[in-house]
Amino acid sequence: GAVVSQHPSWVICKSGTSVKIECRSLDFQATTMFWYRQFPKQSLMLMATSNEGSKATYEQGVEKDKFLINHASLTLSTLTVTSAHPEDSSFYICSATLINTIYFGEGSWLTVV
Amino acid sequence: KQEVTQIPAALSVPEGENLVLNCSFTDSAIYNLQWFRQDPGKGLTSLLLIQSSQREQTSGRLNASLDKSSGRSTLYIAASQPGDSATYLCAVSWGSNYKLTFGKGTLLTVNP
Repeated sequence: GAVVSQHPSWVICKSGTSVKIECRSLDFQATTMFWYRQFPKQSLMLMATSNEGSKATYEQGVEKDKFLINHASLTLSTLTVTSAHPEDSSFYICSATLINTIYFGEGSWLTVV
Repeated sequence: KQEVTQIPAALSVPEGENLVLNCSFTDSAIYNLQWFRQDPGKGLTSLLLIQSSQREQTSGRLNASLDKSSGRSTLYIAASQPGDSATYLCAVSWGSNYKLTFGKGTLLTVNP
């Protein structure tokens, strides 16, 4: 079964609204999770490192005020895309590590209309 | 800049054929390299993980090799099956922090 779960799998939102994506580690604690984004026909690109109990670390070029990351518990990290625009439409996917093995969630398709 | 490149971008083969997917990386000081499979609209499934000290890893019909000095890795799939059709991603970690840099992937189609 899934080790890392993401929700929702698909989401459509209106331009200017915010949308939250959840990433949960199932039956294990993850002090660190990673958020990636993948545009069509492009590589998965690391957006940020989500740290439990502290601020996320963002990669260069990723707007921290637009992509809010909260890792309030050892099993849950959330990514909120604020004031979404059509160019934010993408595949967002998270990962967590268990015993040196990286597990990815199922991913979330965001479409901003 | 640390980059990962995969060729070819797409590959179509008849069922039963053996095939090789290629991955190259710019900085040879890798921590590990991983091959993933991504099905359309789905997440990633880890196939093989090669640590920097290793030369290859095998799992069933899959064999991944690593040549750090040349900055290359190959994924060999033996006796391909239609169920192998997917996008194969190569990802490199240059540190022990589990951050991954991905290639764009190779879209494999195995025709019955």
